[in-house]
Amino acid sequence: EAGVAQSPRYKIIEKRQSVAFWCNPISGHATLYWYQQILGQGPKLLIQFQNNGVVDDSQLPKDRFSAERLKGVDSTLKIQPAKLEDSAVYLCASSLGQGTYNEQFFGPGTRLTVL
Amino acid sequence: QQPVQSPQAVILREGEDAVINCSSSKALYSVHWYRQKHGEAPVFLMILLKGGEQKGHEKISASFNEKKQQSSLYLTASQLSYSGTYFCGTGTYNTGNQFYFGTGTSLTVIP
Repeated sequence: EAGVAQSPRYKIIEKRQSVAFWCNPISGHATLYWYQQILGQGPKLLIQFQNNGVVDDSQLPKDRFSAERLKGVDSTLKIQPAKLEDSAVYLCASSLGQGTYNEQFFGPGTRLTVL
Repeated sequence: QQPVQSPQAVILREGEDAVINCSSSKALYSVHWYRQKHGEAPVFLMILLKGGEQKGHEKISASFNEKKQQSSLYLTASQLSYSGTYFCGTGTYNTGNQFYFGTGTSLTVIP
């Protein structure tokens, strides 16, 4: 079974530039999550999708971050414009059902450096 | 609403035991445990869904005390492969589907 795929693996940008990350969850997984993990901290949930609907985006900085999950499969997370404090690893995860009851499978992450 | 873990860091010799605690200020209905090795993604260990439930996974087990809003992860006869950062993740009654990872515990097993 293929795991969660993410791209790119690494990205370096200047502040105020835009960046987008892509995630392909495990086939059949209804729930998809985007997390931000700053070095030395635990993952912070940015947004959770159930199929193509948003379940929770309470911690998403909506003035600069946006995410979509078209057709309930792939998802993209965008930052526009980026700030220095956005430097982090962005993890995508998926689960068969609603996440608080189900194991989450994580992708390898995208390491973003904002200069 | 982020759960607090203790200790922050622990160093063990192979074969020793460890306990990692996870405490929430909110009423919990689920607790997950994940291990993350340096530079890698978190890997699922187990999930506990009921108050007072206990689960085991090889030499790693966990308990969940719903009344105390706490969970503990027990690692017995530790192996070098147990090294990594352990995170609990919690689902709370008050916040519906929201899920929060804990502050993390760094565990290092030395020969």
